[in-house]
Amino acid sequence: DGGITQSPKYLFRKEGQNVTLSCEQNLNHDAMYWYRQDPGQGLRLIYYSQIVNDFQKGDIAEGYSVSREKKESFPLTVTSAQKNPTAFYLCASSMGSSGGGNEQFFGPGTRLTVL
Amino acid sequence: AQTVTQSQPEMSVQEAETVTLSCTYDTSENNYYLFWYKQPPSRQMILVIRQEAYKQQNATENRFSVNFQKAAKSFSLKISDSQLGDTAMYFCARGSQGNLIFGKGTKLSVKP
Repeated sequence: DGGITQSPKYLFRKEGQNVTLSCEQNLNHDAMYWYRQDPGQGLRLIYYSQIVNDFQKGDIAEGYSVSREKKESFPLTVTSAQKNPTAFYLCASSMGSSGGGNEQFFGPGTRLTVL
Repeated sequence: AQTVTQSQPEMSVQEAETVTLSCTYDTSENNYYLFWYKQPPSRQMILVIRQEAYKQQNATENRFSVNFQKAAKSFSLKISDSQLGDTAMYFCARGSQGNLIFGKGTKLSVKP
């Protein structure tokens, strides 16, 4: 089955630690995205990548980093610089630009809790 | 900042009835795309319907249809014959350059 996988489903982190969230897709999509979802805030874009080895900051990139070394993978690292990292994180992918009408397909999400 | 506004944080509807969710947006572009996504309690985001701005005909997908008013920058979602499985968060989104701008969502509860 084609789709997007995110792991782990639940993640706990101590303050001051970096943590990496995994996102893999086998849809052969060029574009990938990371969103953060907080109650009452909708989805806010952290980073996106339209092609391998290239990515752009979204609205709330501070305290996060990404890499796009392979088309299938777009890991997100939450660094200790992120002041309030407890949230639900969603990864998505699309064949082309969503500005051009391409549907984004979403993974099941990772719930990150900072202890 | 270009925004997407959903003015109804929560709504409820009786099973089999019709409900309309509101969405307005800002843009300076002439052609763009609009989307409605559904997030059920499982939290899996699913595309409900998509509209291209230059197409005047409103998009429909089975029980889901939109009322697209380009001049008013309004993009409402109508759900007919509501079913219990329609209970979810609904997000309106606008395509912008390489990504989507989402509204804050409307929580819809369908009551038996």
